[in-house]
Amino acid sequence: DAGITQSPRHKVTETGTPVTLRCHQTENHRYMYWYRQDPGHGLRLIHYSYGVKDTDKGEVSDGYSVSRSKTEDFLLTLESATSSQTSVYFCATWPGRTTDTQYFGPGTRLTVL
Amino acid sequence: KQEVTQIPAALSVPEGENLVLNCSFTDSAIYNLQWFRQDPGKGLTSLLLIQSSQREQTSGRLNASLDKSSGRSTLYIAASQPGDSATYLCAAGSTDSWGKLQFGAGTQVVVTP
Repeated sequence: DAGITQSPRHKVTETGTPVTLRCHQTENHRYMYWYRQDPGHGLRLIHYSYGVKDTDKGEVSDGYSVSRSKTEDFLLTLESATSSQTSVYFCATWPGRTTDTQYFGPGTRLTVL
Repeated sequence: KQEVTQIPAALSVPEGENLVLNCSFTDSAIYNLQWFRQDPGKGLTSLLLIQSSQREQTSGRLNASLDKSSGRSTLYIAASQPGDSATYLCAAGSTDSWGKLQFGAGTQVVVTP
């Protein structure tokens, strides 16, 4: 398995507070992704990165920002958390070959009260 | 915009029965079609990846087929076991160069002893 860790694994916060989730990989994969998973929706892409300091928006990017200052770390920030951002967040990496799959972290369960 | 659908949303079968999971997608311009398994509270684990030029892939008791012309993929699990109980998600690989995946909502499978 690819070495992908996410922190924290669980977080409860209040509406209006900023939250940062961290994804760390040890595989030196170029591409990294943040998804959210909600019942009935599968996984939806929030933001992705195709290199250090290179990021772009996904399908559901409103209210989220990302940063990638090192190959191994990809941060997801909720500037002002809302209850609609209560979800399970997954980070994934991809080495960049179409014959390769994406590798997923264990997820972070975020609850916004 | 690619839409990926998985029907049924849930499935319960007795041990030993063969499982057939369906995935449909609206845009046939895909790089690949991937199947993942997700256990409760865990991240996703890749099962099979079918390149757009391939018709099927096999791994042990698992076989996945791809028909781009009809926009369908099917995952077959032979001789199901209680350990096969999980949620199975399919994902269509985008033809852009960023490795993005469009996920279905998943099929939750329960195999009863």
